[in-house]
Amino acid sequence: DADVTQTPRNRITKTGKRIMLECSQTKGHDRMYWYRQDPGLGLRLIYYSFDVKDINKGEISDGYSVSRQAQAKFSLSLESAIPNQTALYFCATSDLTGGAETQYFGPGTRLLVL
Amino acid sequence: KQEVTQIPAALSVPEGENLVLNCSFTDSAIYNLQWFRQDPGKGLTSLLLIQSSQREQTSGRLNASLDKSSGRSTLYIAASQPGDSATYLCAGLGPSRFGNEKLTFGTGTRLTIIP
Repeated sequence: DADVTQTPRNRITKTGKRIMLECSQTKGHDRMYWYRQDPGLGLRLIYYSFDVKDINKGEISDGYSVSRQAQAKFSLSLESAIPNQTALYFCATSDLTGGAETQYFGPGTRLLVL
Repeated sequence: KQEVTQIPAALSVPEGENLVLNCSFTDSAIYNLQWFRQDPGKGLTSLLLIQSSQREQTSGRLNASLDKSSGRSTLYIAASQPGDSATYLCAGLGPSRFGNEKLTFGTGTRLTIIP
């Protein structure tokens, strides 16, 4: 079984709709992240959370919100989807072992906003 | 602000050849550097992680090096195989303006191994 899962894997929505992308992990990590990937731009950080009560904005948080419902769950919401939010979205978790952080990624959610 | 660059964006080599992928970063204040592999339609798979105090890491046919002073990391793949075809991304973990850490990714190199 995958340690980091994302649902849905693919989603098509219309401009103005509210949608939620969900991420669950069984790794027991405190840290969780949401990234988006666009061609030619690499991965960019949207939001991250270091524990259930901690939420931090990343470099491109505008138009997004998150909820850390539990240690294992971190949801990303698009309040009013727009076409330039069409991208591949990744959730990740991380742990600190021996002072080094390793990130573990989910399979991604491909979102198309029409 | 950290910027991570990977050149070339795409690379094709015949099977069996050794190859090097390059990664450059602008801020040497990184805690570690990771190399990832991404297959089409799938998530990222972590390949190697080099801590800032280390010079290189090896795993099988893969060897990654880190030179903080020059802002460079390389991923060496020996005896390439068609199954190595994928996009390879490097990412540096460093301090963020929020007072904690941030992982900054390069745009990746799409590698094709020709049978």
